[in-house]
Amino acid sequence: QKEVEQDPGPLSVPEGAIVSLNCTYSNSAFQYFMWYRQYSRKGPELLMYTYSSGNKEDGRFTAQVDKSSKYISLFIRDSQPSDSATYLCAARGIQGAQKLVFGQGTRLTINP
Amino acid sequence: DAGITQSPRHKVTETGTPVTLRCHQTENHRYMYWYRQDPGHGLRLIHYSYGVKDTDKGEVSDGYSVSRSKTEDFLLTLESATSSQTSVYFCAISASEADTQYFGPGTRLTVL
Repeated sequence: QKEVEQDPGPLSVPEGAIVSLNCTYSNSAFQYFMWYRQYSRKGPELLMYTYSSGNKEDGRFTAQVDKSSKYISLFIRDSQPSDSATYLCAARGIQGAQKLVFGQGTRLTINP
Repeated sequence: DAGITQSPRHKVTETGTPVTLRCHQTENHRYMYWYRQDPGHGLRLIHYSYGVKDTDKGEVSDGYSVSRSKTEDFLLTLESATSSQTSVYFCAISASEADTQYFGPGTRLTVL
């Protein structure tokens, strides 16, 4: 079993919809959670960074962590075609960045 | 891409030949990482460096070696390339082990 599981999709939604992307993890020691966005043939770019449980909002994006159920979510409001990309969740404990574990990514398409 | 360049961006080589990929950063970050990205596996850490001449293995280090003689450069070498090493390779950097990682644009390697 992978430490971070993510449905690879693909996920296709109409423009303006609310998108929900999810990951589960198995390691109780994970404390830091990230979402990266990766456009086709580009490197991943950091989108959201959260520590422990709770919500974090940045514009149209909200990251949510529920440590009791080991569930990580990313919500995108008012989705735009420019949000079409692969979204990767990642998590690590306090050991450091070299222990960062990635999900396999969800490919998202926003249709105009 | 956070002041990170990778070279070459694309390479096709034959089985058994040595290959060296270069990562160059202008951020003066202490930590540098090499990942490979494959369908169904997401990003997996190959090797990382925590300073000049200081390196350590990641999850999938077999068949790869690294060197870091300067803060700004991190080299990944495939001593004798195999078809299983066909992948997209990403370099990442972070200021410390507690900081988030920022990724380069990637190198697409095909081993025939």
